[in-house]
Amino acid sequence: DTAVSQTPKYLVTQMGNDKSIKCEQNLGHDTMYWYKQDSKKFLKIMFSYNNKELIINETVPNRFSPKSPDKAHLNLHINSLELGDSAVYFCASSPIGQGILDGYTFGSGTRLTVV
Amino acid sequence: KQEVTQIPAALSVPEGENLVLNCSFTDSAIYNLQWFRQDPGKGLTSLLLIQSSQREQTSGRLNASLDKSSGRSTLYIAASQPGDSATYLCAGPNQAGTALIFGKGTTLSVSS
Repeated sequence: DTAVSQTPKYLVTQMGNDKSIKCEQNLGHDTMYWYKQDSKKFLKIMFSYNNKELIINETVPNRFSPKSPDKAHLNLHINSLELGDSAVYFCASSPIGQGILDGYTFGSGTRLTVV
Repeated sequence: KQEVTQIPAALSVPEGENLVLNCSFTDSAIYNLQWFRQDPGKGLTSLLLIQSSQREQTSGRLNASLDKSSGRSTLYIAASQPGDSATYLCAGPNQAGTALIFGKGTTLSVSS
C-alpha cells in the first residue's frame, strides 16, 4: 500500500525519558512534515523537511529534534519528555514543497502520553 | 500570516439534511485549499483539494468551493448520513508555501 506510515501508534512514557517516533512514506514525495495535535484538537506545523533539508522549525523546543536520513524518512526524537508534550503527532508528506498538485498525505498519528 | 477559521465549531443534524461547513482564510494569494476528515482517534483523510484556478470540486455527495476574492471556502454535504459524523478540517498553505495551516475544525454529528 502506498502511504505514510508512523510507528508506534501509541506511546506511554514517564517524564524525563527520551523517545523517538518514526515516519516513512513510499509515495515518492519530496517533502515531509511533523504536525502536533493538542488536546483541543488543533493541528500545528512543527517541522518541514525537503529532500533531507530542514525548511521549517516552528518555535518548537530544542528538546525536539527531527532527523531525515533520506527523503522517504523523517523521524522525530524527543528528549527529556514533559507532561505538556502529551499530544497526537502526525507525519505528512507532499509531492513538492508546496503541495500544489496532489496536496498532502497524512499518517495515522502517534498518540504520546507522558505520565 | 495565513490564518484559517472554521465555523461552526460543532453541528448536529438529523440524517438526510444538506449542510454547509464554512472556512475562511486571511491570505487570498493561496494556490490551493484542502478539506480533510478526521474520525475520533484516527488520522486525517483527504476529501477534496481545490486549486486556485478552480472554483469547486466534487466527490460523491461532497462539493467544495473556493472564492479567493472573499477568502472563503465551503464544504457542502448532501443528504447527510450517520457515517458522515466526524471532524472536518480545512487547510491552506502558509505564505511561504512550505506548510499547511489548519482551521480548528467543525465537528459534525448526524443522527439517525
